[in-house]
Amino acid sequence: SQQGEEDPQALSIQEGENATMNCSYKTSINNLQWYRQNSGRGLVHLILIRSNEREKHSGRLRVTLDTSKKSSSLLITASRAADTASYFCATPQLTQGGSEKLVFGKGTKLTVNP
Amino acid sequence: DTAVSQTPKYLVTQMGNDKSIKCEQNLGHDTMYWYKQDSKKFLKIMFSYNNKELIINETVPNRFSPKSPDKAHLNLHINSLELGDSAVYFCASSQGLAGVRRSSLHFGNGTRLTVT
Repeated sequence: SQQGEEDPQALSIQEGENATMNCSYKTSINNLQWYRQNSGRGLVHLILIRSNEREKHSGRLRVTLDTSKKSSSLLITASRAADTASYFCATPQLTQGGSEKLVFGKGTKLTVNP
Repeated sequence: DTAVSQTPKYLVTQMGNDKSIKCEQNLGHDTMYWYKQDSKKFLKIMFSYNNKELIINETVPNRFSPKSPDKAHLNLHINSLELGDSAVYFCASSQGLAGVRRSSLHFGNGTRLTVT
């Protein structure tokens, strides 16, 4: 079953503006991950935030996590045309067989116009 | 130097045929996966192998059969292809299970399968 869900589905901004994407999930987690997918390519891991962290930074990326609201946000500051991609959140989920897997949302398609 | 490589990149075939996709990773990871991404970009796990042992087998038709000859390789064979199998198939790897144990996934660039 789907765990994370991104919002908005699509976002179009001008270069230099900030982009904010949100992710909501359903069950308790111990970490949440964000990935980027450029057109025609595989997903690339951006950042992992643990459940005991509220905020994490990596370059122009800022991720927040609110476990009480079961939500996370990804902020890209001073966006560039090269940031154009789809962004996915992923959360862990236990499988019926007792293993674990990462479950992805449907993604936010970000377009940064030059 | 590609970390996770899969072949072929494109696969166009007719219904009823059998096809295979190959994946190799040079990251020294012990866990490999197959994910399927549909036309709406929804990404769903299909299989996971840890040290050559199948540990995740989601609700996938048994026409799909993964094989892991060693830790660095994971192949996917699909029998009797159907129109609904058209999608992009991604191979991925991680050190340890990606999930609760906080490992991240490293993806290949995908194989776009088109069944006509």
